[in-house]
Amino acid sequence: EADIYQTPRYLVIGTGKKITLECSQTMGHDKMYWYQQDPGMELHLIHYSYGVNSTEKGDLSSESTVSRIRTEHFPLTLESARPSHTSQYLCASSGGALELPEQFFGPGTRLTVL
Amino acid sequence: GQNIDQPTEMTATEGAIVQINCTYQTSGFNGLFWYQQHAGEAPTFLSYNVLDGLEEKGRFSSFLSRSKGYSYLLLKELQMKDSASYLCAVLDSNYQLIWGAGTKLIIKP
Repeated sequence: EADIYQTPRYLVIGTGKKITLECSQTMGHDKMYWYQQDPGMELHLIHYSYGVNSTEKGDLSSESTVSRIRTEHFPLTLESARPSHTSQYLCASSGGALELPEQFFGPGTRLTVL
Repeated sequence: GQNIDQPTEMTATEGAIVQINCTYQTSGFNGLFWYQQHAGEAPTFLSYNVLDGLEEKGRFSSFLSRSKGYSYLLLKELQMKDSASYLCAVLDSNYQLIWGAGTKLIIKP
């Protein structure tokens, strides 16, 4: 059973608000990822981290930022939310070199920006 | 560029067998994954192939041919709960997962 958590599960906010989506995992995984997915569409990688104090941008241009101060925690922040940010945000993690490179996903945060 | 192709949608009958194909062109190859995703939920891991051949796991099997850039997921004895999207993803030379758009599988009674 994968132990990766995301909060909130659902969020409805107004344009211009600053929001932080939380993601935590208790598996001790070094690698963590944030994906954006619209209904029926493919997953787009927006940020990833290979360890503490390491963060990189993914393929999808994003106005969000991430931090990785602790191994287990990888929050995503939108400084000023816009309706175009309405989507599902999925956090994932994967283990070290000796483990299968499977990514475990959290339950997701469904964000609606009005 | 990197590309993963799979059919958008497939329909099958309960109790039957269905094969979902995936072809890929990526910069390097470090394995291919199949994930299942029910509507509104997160993807869950089904299989991982890194060597050519067939991997069987219960009702689900996955096949890989690296020379052809081809994989398939075979689902046997289909059940209504198998209605979901099936995502093919390839781990490239940078150990990044490149995702297909997914195949929506509809099971009819």
